[in-house]
Amino acid sequence: QIQLVQSGAEVKKPGASVKVSCKASGYTFTSYGITWVRQAPGQGLEWMGWISTYNGDTKYVQKVQGRVTMTTDTPTSTVYMELRSLRSDDTAVYFCARDRFFGTGGLGYWGQGTLVTVSS
Amino acid sequence: DIVMTQSPDSLAVSLGERATINCKSSQSVLYSSNNKNLLAWYQQKPGQPPKLLIYWASTRESGVPVRFSGSGSGTDFTLTISNLQAEDVAVYYCQQYYNTPHSFGQGTKLEIK
Repeated sequence: QIQLVQSGAEVKKPGASVKVSCKASGYTFTSYGITWVRQAPGQGLEWMGWISTYNGDTKYVQKVQGRVTMTTDTPTSTVYMELRSLRSDDTAVYFCARDRFFGTGGLGYWGQGTLVTVSS
Repeated sequence: DIVMTQSPDSLAVSLGERATINCKSSQSVLYSSNNKNLLAWYQQKPGQPPKLLIYWASTRESGVPVRFSGSGSGTDFTLTISNLQAEDVAVYYCQQYYNTPHSFGQGTKLEIK
């Protein structure tokens, strides 16, 4: 079955960096891009960006542009999201997700989420 | 960027009744090449990732109960939950995937009256 399994919770100090992983299984990894969505405590969903697992192309939301890098590692079927210069308002649960099926849209598969806490 | 605005922010509906959630996009999300509205609806319960309910504005995801339905086109969309069940208590989000960033609405919290 299709699964996205994320790395564990992180606690970081302001100004530090965090790298969250998302390991995919159950399908051909390079056939679907991966989207990252975050959710601050008690808040709504925020689309952060997308990476093509086929060629590494990326699209980021302007709010985190310059601080975020998404990368893909085909041999391990893993996507990474690195966020730098962390601030307190980066405290959130970070989700990776995949389209339900090619060409239809809609994020049909989600990781379990990774809580990143930024605190001094 | 496309701004998605949901209404209401919260609502309380009696068991067995109908809940209606609206979503408005700041520009059309109708993709002319296939005449599909690039809009999805999600349900999120506490401590869980979102669950896809509807894609293409009105196509129900496999396994989603038929009491969930989506409608609308262009810039105005609706999620309707008929015959409300206790397990439908959740926050509901719309999302456009017409242009990046694929923005979400702010969410609508659904409770039982």
